[in-house]
Amino acid sequence: EAGVAQSPRYKIIEKRQSVAFWCNPISGHATLYWYQQILGQGPKLLIQFQNNGVVDDSQLPKDRFSAERLKGVDSTLKIQPAKLEDSAVYLCASRAFPTSGGNTGELFFGEGSRLTVL
Amino acid sequence: DQQVKQNSPSLSVQEGRISILNCDYTNSMFDYFLWYKKYPAEGPTFLISISSIKDKNEDGRFTVFLNKSAKHLSLHIVPSQPGDSAVYFCAASYNAGNMLTFGGGTRLMVKP
Repeated sequence: EAGVAQSPRYKIIEKRQSVAFWCNPISGHATLYWYQQILGQGPKLLIQFQNNGVVDDSQLPKDRFSAERLKGVDSTLKIQPAKLEDSAVYLCASRAFPTSGGNTGELFFGEGSRLTVL
Repeated sequence: DQQVKQNSPSLSVQEGRISILNCDYTNSMFDYFLWYKKYPAEGPTFLISISSIKDKNEDGRFTVFLNKSAKHLSLHIVPSQPGDSAVYFCAASYNAGNMLTFGGGTRLMVKP
């Protein structure tokens, strides 16, 4: 079974430039998440999709971050314009829709996209 | 407001000994807890979980203990192996496993 795919793995940009990250979840996984992990900290949820609808984006800085999941499969996360504090690893994760009575809570993560803003 | 905290940023143990990683939480609504392991340049991978209706869950060398009254959980690794050297994240959820809240991580180093 193929895992969660992310690209690019690394990106270096200057502040005020824009960047986009792509994620392809595990086939059949209805739920997709974008997390931001700043060095030395745990992952912080930015946005959660259920199929192609947004479930929670309360922690997404909407003035500069946007995300979409067209057709309920692939997703892109965009930052425009980038700030120095956006330097982080952006992790995409997916999860199968929990079955009735089930609650595995297990998320499958991609390898992440490391962003450096200069 | 950190709802999940891992107060030890690092831990060093000798191979063959027990590793104990700790995690505290503040939100009493959390009902499911997980541990993830992360190697450098890789995404976190699921290790073990526990529901709030249990106080212990064991999987091979890994055991997670939950103390609801203290809002504390711990991960025990016995015996520790050099390959266990990684960053361990504690995570919690209260919405059918959705929207995990992660702690800051503990870097475990197992010395041969």
